[in-house]
Amino acid sequence: NAGVTQTPKFQVLKTGQSMTLQCAQDMNHNSMYWYRQDPGMGLRLIYYSASEGTTDKGEVPNGYNVSRLNKREFSLRLESAAPSQTSVYFCASWDTYEQYFGPGTRLTVT
Amino acid sequence: DAKTTQPTSMDCAEGRAANLPCNHSTISGNEYVYWYRQIHSQGPQYIIHGLKNNETNEMASLIITEDRKSSTLILPHATLRDTAVYYCIVRGGGTSYGKLTFGQGTILTVHP
Repeated sequence: NAGVTQTPKFQVLKTGQSMTLQCAQDMNHNSMYWYRQDPGMGLRLIYYSASEGTTDKGEVPNGYNVSRLNKREFSLRLESAAPSQTSVYFCASWDTYEQYFGPGTRLTVT
Repeated sequence: DAKTTQPTSMDCAEGRAANLPCNHSTISGNEYVYWYRQIHSQGPQYIIHGLKNNETNEMASLIITEDRKSSTLILPHATLRDTAVYYCIVRGGGTSYGKLTFGQGTILTVHP
């Protein structure tokens, strides 16, 4: 099992550009999550999907959109990137008692 | 979800037990205590969780006080590779079951 995979690993954007962060899990989990982590801070929940076909806002959803493409894939889109969105983005999926995290995408917006 | 309070940082000598405290005085009866750790900038790694009873697995032990207002994560024989940020999280039940609220955690430094 690859677990939770994320692409790309690194990305640099200019202000106003758009991009989509991809996430996939091969553990047949129903729930998937997107977090961001700013330097020296804990993770903050952006959006989550409790099951295929549903998405809900987390703590910091502004400036982001998500798509639960199928049970495996959950993407995060930045429509117009801003420097405040410079962060490390983690995708995760949830089993009965444990959340599994991907390796992260390091995004810099200049 | 209940808020947690952890010390900002702790030190531990290699080979000794590391005891990481966490306060969660507003925890509700159906809320679990979870511990995760994050090494460098990797994705967080699950360590252990518990509801009322003490728990032990191959990585650590979790001691929860009888009133459930605080807990302690114990790494019995800390190694240099245990240097990480440790997060104590209270997880709600119902539809919020997978939504974890991360604080700033405890930076544990294991030194030779």
